[in-house]
Parts: sequence; C-alpha cells; structure tokens
Amino acid sequence: ETGVTQTPRHLVMGMTNKKSLKCEQHLGHNAMYWYKQSAKKPLELMFVYSLEERVENNSVPSRFSPECPNSSHLFLHLHTLQPEDSALYLCASSQEMTGGNQPQHFGDGTRLSIL
Amino acid sequence: QKEVEQNSGPLSVPEGAIASLNCTYSDRGSQSFFWYRQYSGKSPELIMSIYSNGDKEDGRFTAQLNKASQYVSLLIRDSQPSDSATYLCAVNIGGYSTLTFGKGTMLLVSP
Repeated sequence: ETGVTQTPRHLVMGMTNKKSLKCEQHLGHNAMYWYKQSAKKPLELMFVYSLEERVENNSVPSRFSPECPNSSHLFLHLHTLQPEDSALYLCASSQEMTGGNQPQHFGDGTRLSIL
Repeated sequence: QKEVEQNSGPLSVPEGAIASLNCTYSDRGSQSFFWYRQYSGKSPELIMSIYSNGDKEDGRFTAQLNKASQYVSLLIRDSQPSDSATYLCAVNIGGYSTLTFGKGTMLLVSP
C-alpha cells in the first residue's frame, strides 16, 4: 500500500456537477493538505488539517469544500466548478504541521478537467 | 510576501555532468528547506531536506544552504537521463508552519 493514495486519478466533470476527491494516507501522519497545481504556476496550498481540525484556508472559493473525518482520510468536495479550476489536485501529509519542519509526502494527484 | 524563486529552465546538461539547481527565498526567518523531484504527470517526490547552513550529501545529491544569502541549491553529480524532471524548492517562509513552493526548474539530461 503506497503512502498517500488519491482517487480518482482522472476526473472530467461539467460545471454543474458535484463530485468528491478522496485522499488516504497510510503513514500515521497527523497533518494533511490539499494543493492545486496549474501549468506554469507554483503549487498553491488550499487547505490544511492538523489532527482533523482545519487550520488553514487560503482564500479558496466556496465551491471547494474540504472534509477530514479522521487523521487518515481527507476529501475535497467539488460543486459548480469553473473552467479555470481544471488542474492537478494533490494531497499530501506530514507527521506534524507545527513549525513547518516536517517533509510532506504527496499522493499521485487527481487530474481534474472541467468542461 | 512569501516567495520562493527558481529559474524555470530548462537546464540542459550532458550525461555524467554536475547539474546545479538554485533557489532563493524572501525571508531570513525561514528554517526548513526541501527539494522535490517531479516527473511529468507524476506527483512531487521528496529528495532532500536541509535545516542548517552548509552542505548535506545523500548519494549523488548535495543540498547547500546559505541563510545569510537566502539561497539554497541542489547539486546532482553524475547526472543521468533518468534525472530529467522538474525540481521544486519548498521553504517554510519566515518559519511559518506551511511550505511555500517555487515554480520549479526543469532539468534535461542528454545521453
């Protein structure tokens, strides 16, 4: 079982659809992250959860809704997305969040395309 | 403003040469520095972490940190075509609890 698993790997959806991205980590980590990666742009941090509590929300539009039911699982619920939301969505985890000195381990990502 | 700057490249080196990848960051209070490798269509993979000034070596990789100059680099010795990828620099700017990533430098190693 790989460290951080994301499903689905690819997702095509219309602007009015509702879908969810799933992330599961098998590393025993306490912090989980959602990133957006678009072409020619650096990784953009979207949400951070530490011990199942959301600790960061970087001005992400409300059409993205995260959920962290336990320290091993993280979801990103998608609703009424825009074409500019097409990107690679990466989940990551780290042992702890405090201090930013822990390396983050990434899943393989979900390639999202909005029609 | 939290910023991590990298030359986007591509940096082209012949097989067997040393590849030097550079990264500058905006805040002297930054404490943790990471290099990730990302193959096309894949997720970032951690290569090195460095926290103190100086050099840190791991196999063919050497990370170099100079906090006074706000500069961190990654050297790859004996470059191989399989090293061709985008290398991302990540920093906890200002000692903040989350990481800021650079845009990455594309490395191309020709046989």
